[in-house]
Amino acid sequence: GDSVTQMEGPVTLSEEAFLTINCTYTATGYPSLFWYVQYPGEGLQLLLKATKADDKGSNKGFEATYRKETTSFHLEKGSVQVSDSAVYFCALSDRGQGAQKLVFGQGTRLTINP
Amino acid sequence: NAGVTQTPKFRVLKTGQSMTLLCAQDMNHEYMYWYRQDPGMGLRLIHYSVGEGTTAKGEVPDGYNVSRLKKQNFLLGLESAAPSQTSVYFCASSPGPPLYSNQPQHFGDGTRLSIL
Repeated sequence: GDSVTQMEGPVTLSEEAFLTINCTYTATGYPSLFWYVQYPGEGLQLLLKATKADDKGSNKGFEATYRKETTSFHLEKGSVQVSDSAVYFCALSDRGQGAQKLVFGQGTRLTINP
Repeated sequence: NAGVTQTPKFRVLKTGQSMTLLCAQDMNHEYMYWYRQDPGMGLRLIHYSVGEGTTAKGEVPDGYNVSRLKKQNFLLGLESAAPSQTSVYFCASSPGPPLYSNQPQHFGDGTRLSIL
């Protein structure tokens, strides 16, 4: 079945550092890919998405490129801020019956120190 | 804008007790979902609904039941609570299949449930 694997956390960085959170996926078809963010005490919010190979999703300084050849969708940000501290989830939605659902990775907790 | 509202926010139960979690959305969404979030496990889908009167099993449905009698509400029931059901429960809604939506899923703020 479909699955998403994220890099192990937690990740701790200093403010203005470069961020990469790795995400790889397994899917039977050609999925759409998503990054969600969860701030403390809140539900998940969509951060960005990409629907086909080589698409780049971007939002709030974050970027991720859909790489079909490496089945990856790594999240990057050039200069992180304390306010970026949160849990980040990679997810996919596949075609067929899977189109009705999202499959999530285990989440990566990010802490940014001032 | 209320969005997705979950009730209650916190609850402590004893083993064997029953309870119902309520999810309400005011966005006229067709699709609704219940997830559980456990440390190191990410979000796992319990049940979902693709329209009023429909329900379907997700990844971890055992021990839970759901109902979607009204389009705006999706109820999650625990008939006989077990300590393994201690978790944070999230409800989500979407206008259509996540694959084809610009806004795949909108989430509530969660219900923290402890089973003693």
